[in-house]
Amino acid sequence: AQSVTQLGSHVSVSEGALVLLRCNYSSSVPPYLFWYVQYPNQGLQLLLKYTSAATLVKGINGFEAEFKKSETSFHLTKPSAHMSDAAEYFCAVLTSYDKVIFGPGTSLSVIP
Amino acid sequence: GAVVSQHPSRVICKSGTSVKIECRSLDFQATTMFWYRQFPKQSLMLMATSNEGSKATYEQGVEKDKFLINHASLTLSTLTVTSAHPEDSSFYICSALGRTNTEAFFGQGTRLTVV
Repeated sequence: AQSVTQLGSHVSVSEGALVLLRCNYSSSVPPYLFWYVQYPNQGLQLLLKYTSAATLVKGINGFEAEFKKSETSFHLTKPSAHMSDAAEYFCAVLTSYDKVIFGPGTSLSVIP
Repeated sequence: GAVVSQHPSRVICKSGTSVKIECRSLDFQATTMFWYRQFPKQSLMLMATSNEGSKATYEQGVEKDKFLINHASLTLSTLTVTSAHPEDSSFYICSALGRTNTEAFFGQGTRLTVV
């Protein structure tokens, strides 16, 4: 079964520092992978997606992620954290049964 | 990107009553929609897959008689929480697969509080 894991339920960075949120997937077929952000009491906003084109994917708000098949990873990065980046981040995979399955999420805190 | 509209955004109901949540794809036809439930500080849990014109497919552990799903048209799916109880209080989010089936678009969620 396809699944997603996110290492670190909570990540804390200083404003201006590098953001790195980890995501690993398990899939026997080339996956479609996504990163979503969720602010408190709101729905999901798509940050970026990998759909088997370029392995380095650029998203909104300065985020990017790199698909590494050898590591089965799709880590999310941003060079410089901003206070407004504090939110919950979810990695997700579109399974072969056309279902989107979410990882457990990582809560990002940004320290001024 | 495609737009999915979910209504209402918040609802408070009395224990024992039923609540209907609507999910609409505004600018595309969605043959498949999904319903998720999210508990505080937790991830989204897939409840069921809704297919237009057929019965919904429920994930293991989800009571189909409690959570009634209807996908009557290519742009509308509804989730009805029947005989709601306080433990049904949660954040419910719907999503719809886009035309190419390579991305899901999400509604803004419904905060259900059962008192």
